[in-house]
Amino acid sequence: DAGVTQSPTHLIKTRGQQVTLRCSPKSGHDTVSWYQQALGQGPQFIFQYYEEEERQRGNFPDRFSGHQFPNYSSELNVNALLLGDSALYLCASSLQNQGGETQYFGPGTRLLVL
Amino acid sequence: AQKVTQAQTEISVVEKEDVTLDCVYETRDTTYYLFWYKQPPSGELVFLIRRNSFDEQNEISGRYSWNFQKSTSSFNFTITASQVVDSAVYFCALSEAQGGYQKVTFGIGTKLQVIP
Repeated sequence: DAGVTQSPTHLIKTRGQQVTLRCSPKSGHDTVSWYQQALGQGPQFIFQYYEEEERQRGNFPDRFSGHQFPNYSSELNVNALLLGDSALYLCASSLQNQGGETQYFGPGTRLLVL
Repeated sequence: AQKVTQAQTEISVVEKEDVTLDCVYETRDTTYYLFWYKQPPSGELVFLIRRNSFDEQNEISGRYSWNFQKSTSSFNFTITASQVVDSAVYFCALSEAQGGYQKVTFGIGTKLQVIP
């Protein structure tokens, strides 16, 4: 039973560039959430996707966008990168219910913006 | 608004000592869920436990135990006879169901170092 996978594992970009991160959910899961974790901080919720639509969004600018595909995999796109976007980006998958589902996390993508 | 406070940013213990990680939460919802995750240096968050707001029974799993007290809005985590492999950052998280949509808030984490 494959867990949550993310690619790439590491990425280096320069300010102003755009980046796409990818996530495949755990088998059987239909909901994907993205989090940003800055060094020494807890994960911060970016947004959640279910049925190919963004359902909830945290306090992140429109430079952060996403997509969910019919096979439930997801992408996170960040435009016009800033130095402050350097962080560990975590993808979590869960099974849609009425809330409170356990989210299972992938290994993350470490993004460094120079 | 929901909030999770982990007042202990770093804890160091000697191997075989017991250690308790504190978690205090704030929510206006009557239905909510609490979680603990472990984050080793590799970075991946590992799920440890989920507890809903209607179940205040304490839980024990091997060397791990959890004490949920709604009266004090706390969900503390105790590791008995700590081992070096327990060294990691531990996160407490709170989930509210908002119209069927889940919003998860994490604490800042407690870094646990177990010294051999």
